[in-house]
Parts: sequence; C-alpha cells; structure tokens
Amino acid sequence: AQKITQTQPGMFVQEKEAVTLDCTYDTSDPSYGLFWYKQPSSGEMIFLIYQGSYDQQNATEGRYSLNFQKARKSANLVISASQLGDSAMYFCAMRGSGGSEKLVFGKGTKLTVNP
Amino acid sequence: DADVTQTPRNRITKTGKRIMLECSQTKGHDRMYWYRQDPGLGLRLIYYSFDVKDINKGEISDGYSVSRQAQAKFSLSLESAIPNQTALYFCATSDSGSVGNEQFFGPGTRLTVL
Repeated sequence: AQKITQTQPGMFVQEKEAVTLDCTYDTSDPSYGLFWYKQPSSGEMIFLIYQGSYDQQNATEGRYSLNFQKARKSANLVISASQLGDSAMYFCAMRGSGGSEKLVFGKGTKLTVNP
Repeated sequence: DADVTQTPRNRITKTGKRIMLECSQTKGHDRMYWYRQDPGLGLRLIYYSFDVKDINKGEISDGYSVSRQAQAKFSLSLESAIPNQTALYFCATSDSGSVGNEQFFGPGTRLTVL
C-alpha cells in the first residue's frame, strides 16, 4: 500500500526566508509520481509541482522546488523567498502506476509566514 | 472563468435526505475524481472515472454514487445523508495524456449534514 507521511503539523518562517516542508513516502511501485498542493484558508486545492520517479533532475516551478531523494524516499518541498501569501496548508501526494491513478495524500503541514 | 466548477459551494441538509453535488470542467480532461476532506485525515478518494463509460469505486465509496453525464460533467450523490458525511468535497480532473497526470481541483463543496 502507498503511504505519505508529513511529520510537521505546523511550520513558521519569516518573510523572505526559505522553508522546507518534509514529505516521505512508501510504495512498492517502480513508477510513481509525487505532487505538492497548496490549500489556502479559502479552501481550494492548488497544484504546485510534480516529480516523476524516473526524473533525473529535481523539479522546479518558480519559487517552488522539490528536493527528491529517491533512496531515502523523500520529496521535500522548498519554498524560496517566502511571502505572506504562502501561508496555507501544504499537502504532499503520490500517484502510483496503473489502477486508479488516485492520489494518496499526507495529512498536511500548516505553514505560517511571519512579517 | 474557473476551469473546474462545483455546485453548490455550500450545502446544509438533514439526515436521510438525498443530495447531489455537481462538477463541471472546461479543461477538456478525460479523467474525473471525487474526494472528500476531513480534518486531520487529508483527502480520500470516493469515486473516479476515466471516461464516460468508466466508473470506479475509490477507497470510501459506501453511501455514495456517481454519474458521468458527459466528459465534462461528473456528479456525486449521497443517497441518504448521514452526519459523518459532513466534509469538504472536491472534484478533480486530469488529462491521461499529460506527463504527470496531475490533478486539478475544483473549489470544493462544504457539506453539513445535521
């Protein structure tokens, strides 16, 4: 069975600093995808970044980068130059190969950016 | 206009009532999903559909049914609502032809069952 673990219920960061949100995963699938989503207090789920299990390079999207360490089964999200608008819940998710293509989500990390 | 829309956005209903949540998308995606989100539990898959004639149960389908009326429309029904179905419900879509098959979510429907 696939599992995502986010061990940080809450994180605080000062505006303009970088922050790393942790995510570890467990799967027996040889091919899988890893995703990060942002959920602001308004409730919508916003797709941030994707990393495929066979991708050689870490994914980047603007201020977001994914620190993918396959041997450690970790897929940490790095947000550079934090902004007040980055305050939100962040969810790590994994999609396995074949079957439902469903996303398995972690329980999330609440990030608060302080001015 | 939003690519994935959900109606209603908020709904309060009583135990035993049948209700329907609707999802429409203009992204042209073939795959659609329904999830529910409960505090502390993350999102869990209720049903998914890879095309109009393909409907599959997710991990928590009991008490729910779905209908894929068209490629762009996917509705979720609660046959007889119960209080523990109080949750935030999300519809999502994805394109099977995309590299990551990333899912894009609607704004959510907040359902309260009294």
